[in-house]
Amino acid sequence: RKEVEQDPGPFNVPEGATVAFNCTYSNSASQSFFWYRQDCRKEPKLLMSVYSSGNEDGRFTAQLNRASQYISLLIRDSKLSDSATYLCVVRSYNNNDMRFGAGTRLTVKP
Amino acid sequence: GAGVSQSPRYKVAKRGQDVALRCDPISGHVSLFWYQQALGQGPEFLTYFQNEAQLDKSGLPSDRFFAERPEGSVSTLKIQRTQQEDSAVYLCASSPLQSSYNSPLHFGNGTRLTVT
Repeated sequence: RKEVEQDPGPFNVPEGATVAFNCTYSNSASQSFFWYRQDCRKEPKLLMSVYSSGNEDGRFTAQLNRASQYISLLIRDSKLSDSATYLCVVRSYNNNDMRFGAGTRLTVKP
Repeated sequence: GAGVSQSPRYKVAKRGQDVALRCDPISGHVSLFWYQQALGQGPEFLTYFQNEAQLDKSGLPSDRFFAERPEGSVSTLKIQRTQQEDSAVYLCASSPLQSSYNSPLHFGNGTRLTVT
């Protein structure tokens, strides 16, 4: 079983739609959580960190549930430019490395 | 300022050849990570350095893979006797603070290795 698992996708949504991605992690020692975005044939780039109380950045909202070892990302009012692969990333306290999910591909259509 | 730099950008190797991939992290970044990303997959962890110390190499798929960071800055990932299954994008990332668990990773644009 992979340490970080994500919705398989792909998600194909119209512009303006709201879409949510889920992610679960298996290492209870995980300390930090992030969502990264990766465009086709590009490197991953940080979208947002995920804080315990949940956090919002414009149209993007991230939630963390430590008890269920679950992270989510909500995108409201989707734009064409949101089309990308979204990677859930978990950093553990005990070894400091960062583990990625396989990614969920989003395509926003006009 | 300069970001993470990787070279070469593309590498084609014949099966059995040795390859060396280079990563120049952001100056002053303590942590350095190597990942392998196959087509359509997320990055898979290979190894992690804190300064010159290789603290975790649990992700290296075989003893053909070797990484070093002798002076705590530039790192090299070496793959000996390449196999076709080694074909992937190899991503290097650095992070500024060893003890800040919220520090995000800054990625280079990767080396695309194709083994023929």
